[in-house]
Amino acid sequence: GDSVTQMEGPVTLSEEAFLTINCTYTATGYPSLFWYVQYPGEGLQLLLKATKADDKGSNKGFEATYRKETTSFHLEKGSVQVSDSAVYFCALSDGTGNQFYFGTGTSLTVIP
Amino acid sequence: DAGVTQSPTHLIKTRGQHVTLRCSPISGHKSVSWYQQVLGQGPQFIFQYYEKEERGRGNFPDRFSARQFPNYSSELNVNALLLGDSALYLCASSMLAGGPNEQYFGPGTRLTVT
Repeated sequence: GDSVTQMEGPVTLSEEAFLTINCTYTATGYPSLFWYVQYPGEGLQLLLKATKADDKGSNKGFEATYRKETTSFHLEKGSVQVSDSAVYFCALSDGTGNQFYFGTGTSLTVIP
Repeated sequence: DAGVTQSPTHLIKTRGQHVTLRCSPISGHKSVSWYQQVLGQGPQFIFQYYEKEERGRGNFPDRFSARQFPNYSSELNVNALLLGDSALYLCASSMLAGGPNEQYFGPGTRLTVT
């Protein structure tokens, strides 16, 4: 069946460091891919999405490119801030649009 | 505008009991999905409803059921509770069902089964 695998954390970075959180997926058909973020004390919220191969989702300085050839959707940010400290979840909606799969989450802590 | 609301916030039940969790979607949203999130894990998809019909079901036993009402609110029911059902239950709403539609998550109901 469909699934999402993301790099395990926790990840600790210094402010202004480069961030990559790896995410790979297994899916039949043409899934949509998402990154959700959960800030401390808050609910899950959508960070960015991509709906077809080679699409790039971007928001708040974060980017991820839907790579069908490598079945990946890695999250990147060029310069992280303390306020980016959160748990990040990679997710997919399958080709039917009626099933959803989340990764296990990666905790990011950014230190000043 | 109000976001997705869920009730109750916390709940403690005994093994074998039944529980009903409630969700009100964002105004104008017609689809509601339910997820179970065990501590330290990502959300696991349980159901998706759209226009009162079930559109998708995850890999959960028949003890789990749900329904959506004409006002698009939804209930998740769990029968014969097990200790392993202890988790945060999340509701998410979207304007339409499935695919690339953005889901907006509620704060969740924390269920503890003793």
